[in-house]
Amino acid sequence: AQSVTQPDIHITVSEGASLELRCNYSYGATPYLFWYVQSPGQGLQLLLKYFSGDTLVQGIKGFEAEFKRSQSSFNLRKPSVHWSDAAEYFCAVAPSGNTGFQKLVFGTGTRLLVSP
Amino acid sequence: NAGVTQTPKFQVLKTGQSMTLQCAQDMNHNSMYWYRQDPGMGLRLIYYSASEGTTDKGEVPNGYNVSRLNKREFSLRLESAAPSQTSVYFCASSIRDRGNNEQFFGPGTRLTVL
Repeated sequence: AQSVTQPDIHITVSEGASLELRCNYSYGATPYLFWYVQSPGQGLQLLLKYFSGDTLVQGIKGFEAEFKRSQSSFNLRKPSVHWSDAAEYFCAVAPSGNTGFQKLVFGTGTRLLVSP
Repeated sequence: NAGVTQTPKFQVLKTGQSMTLQCAQDMNHNSMYWYRQDPGMGLRLIYYSASEGTTDKGEVPNGYNVSRLNKREFSLRLESAAPSQTSVYFCASSIRDRGNNEQFFGPGTRLTVL
């Protein structure tokens, strides 16, 4: 069965500092990979996704993620964090394939706190 | 476009009461989903509907039923609420298209069962 691990429950970063959130997955083949963000009291918003091709993926709000097959990882990065980035971040995977429909499996999330 | 809408936003129930959570999307998406979110557990899939006319169980379906009323609407019913069903419930939808399965989420319903 697929699984997603986000090893950090909470991370605190100073405003302006760089950020890396970790995500590891367990799956037999290369899955589709996603990062979602959830602001307090809100639904989830897609930051970026990886289906195939270039392993460095650019997303919205200045985020990027790098797929590393050898490490089964899809870490999220941002070079300079803003106070408005404080939120909860979820990594998710779905099996790759051509059916056009896949169920997502989510990690448990990482809560990002931004200090002044 | 409103995207994915959910009603109600908040609800308090007593143990044993029933209720239906409503979800609608105006993006002409084929697939719809119901998740619950609990602290430290991420989002877990309750039920999904891959296309109009079909529904299937997800990871945690016990105690829930769903209805795909039409292409736009997908409701979640709790027949006899239990305190363990206290959670935040999210509805999502996606277009069923090869290589594009981004899910769009509603704002959630916060349910408390006393």
